[in-house]
Amino acid sequence: GDSVTQMEGPVTLSEEAFLTINCTYTATGYPSLFWYVQYPGEGLQLLLKATKADDKGSNKGFEATYRKETTSFHLEKGSVQVSDSAVYFCALKNQETSGSRLTFGEGTQLTVNP
Amino acid sequence: DARVTQTPRDKVTEMGQEVTMRCQPILGHNTVFWYRQTMMQGLELLAYFRNRAPLDDSGMPKDRFSAEMPDATLATLKIQPSEPRDSAVYFCASGLVLRDRNNEQFFGPGTRLTVL
Repeated sequence: GDSVTQMEGPVTLSEEAFLTINCTYTATGYPSLFWYVQYPGEGLQLLLKATKADDKGSNKGFEATYRKETTSFHLEKGSVQVSDSAVYFCALKNQETSGSRLTFGEGTQLTVNP
Repeated sequence: DARVTQTPRDKVTEMGQEVTMRCQPILGHNTVFWYRQTMMQGLELLAYFRNRAPLDDSGMPKDRFSAEMPDATLATLKIQPSEPRDSAVYFCASGLVLRDRNNEQFFGPGTRLTVL
């Protein structure tokens, strides 16, 4: 079945550092890929998405490119802020095999220190 | 600002008691999802509904869990009897799913359930 693997956390960075959170997936066909963010005590919010190969999703300074050749969707940000501290989830949706179901990775806790 | 709402936000109960969690999806959304989040298992899909009909409940333990949508503005997740291993945060999400469209799921704030 479909699966998503994220880099192990937690990740701790200083403010203005460069961020990469790795995400790879296993799926048949052409899934859509997502990054969700969860702030403490809240539900998940969609951060960005990409629906086909080579698409780049971007939002709030975060970017991720859908790489079919490496089955990856790594999240990057050039300069993190304290307010970016949260848990980040990579997810996929495979309409062909699983309909509207989202398959999530394990989540990566990011802490940004001033 | 439309949001998914969930009640209660926190619930502490004793083993064997019945627990009911409620979700109000965003008006106009036709699909409702129930997820469970634990440290050990991460985020798991329990069930989801389209136009109030259950489409997939394969992630839900059938012997004690039940999910319903009595009307378009209310989804419920019930556990009877509850067990300590059910302790988790339960999220409801809703979305407008149209043919061939990959639409966003909007998550509620969650219900934190503790079963003693």
